[in-house]
Amino acid sequence: RKEVEQDPGPFNVPEGATVAFNCTYSNSASQSFFWYRQDCRKEPKLLMSVYSSGNEDGRFTAQLNRASQYISLLIRDSKLSDSATYLCVVNKPGGTYKYIFGTGTRLKVLA
Amino acid sequence: EPEVTQTPSHQVTQMGQEVILRCVPISNHLYFYWYRQILGQKVEFLVSFYNNEISEKSEIFDDQFSVERPDGSNFTLKIRSTKLEDSAMYFCASGLTRTETEETQYFGPGTRLLVL
Repeated sequence: RKEVEQDPGPFNVPEGATVAFNCTYSNSASQSFFWYRQDCRKEPKLLMSVYSSGNEDGRFTAQLNRASQYISLLIRDSKLSDSATYLCVVNKPGGTYKYIFGTGTRLKVLA
Repeated sequence: EPEVTQTPSHQVTQMGQEVILRCVPISNHLYFYWYRQILGQKVEFLVSFYNNEISEKSEIFDDQFSVERPDGSNFTLKIRSTKLEDSAMYFCASGLTRTETEETQYFGPGTRLLVL
């Protein structure tokens, strides 16, 4: 099983749609979870941290299911500017808390 | 808003040459990282650095790689003898804290390295 697994997409959705991305992770000891956004040839930028039972920030909602080792990201009322690759990131505990990245899910929001 | 900066933005080098990639982390951050992303692939951890020493390195980070924090502000990645497969985007990241619930890393804009 991959350490962090995501559906690569692309997800092509019309403006205003709701879209959900899923991510699974293999290390049950992981404690920190994040969604980063990456635009083409740019650096990953933090979208949301996901702690305990999840959290919401405007149009974005992240959920964590520790029992299933599963993280989700929901984007409501999607905008053209939401088009990007969404990276699921999980820390690998054991002293350094290095990040383990998924391959990313590509989203295209269409006018 | 403070940010991580990296120089150069692009570097082209010949195979076998040494390159030094430079990063200025956010000023009060204590934890520093290098990651790389080969075109079309996922971001991969290379090395973490804390208290002037390497905390952890990946299998990619072999003897050709080294890191240094020479002056309290810069954080550098040196590749001694570049190979074609070192061509990638290299990201520096820094973080302020590292607890179980707070260890967000902030990424610089990257250096795109092309080895010919």
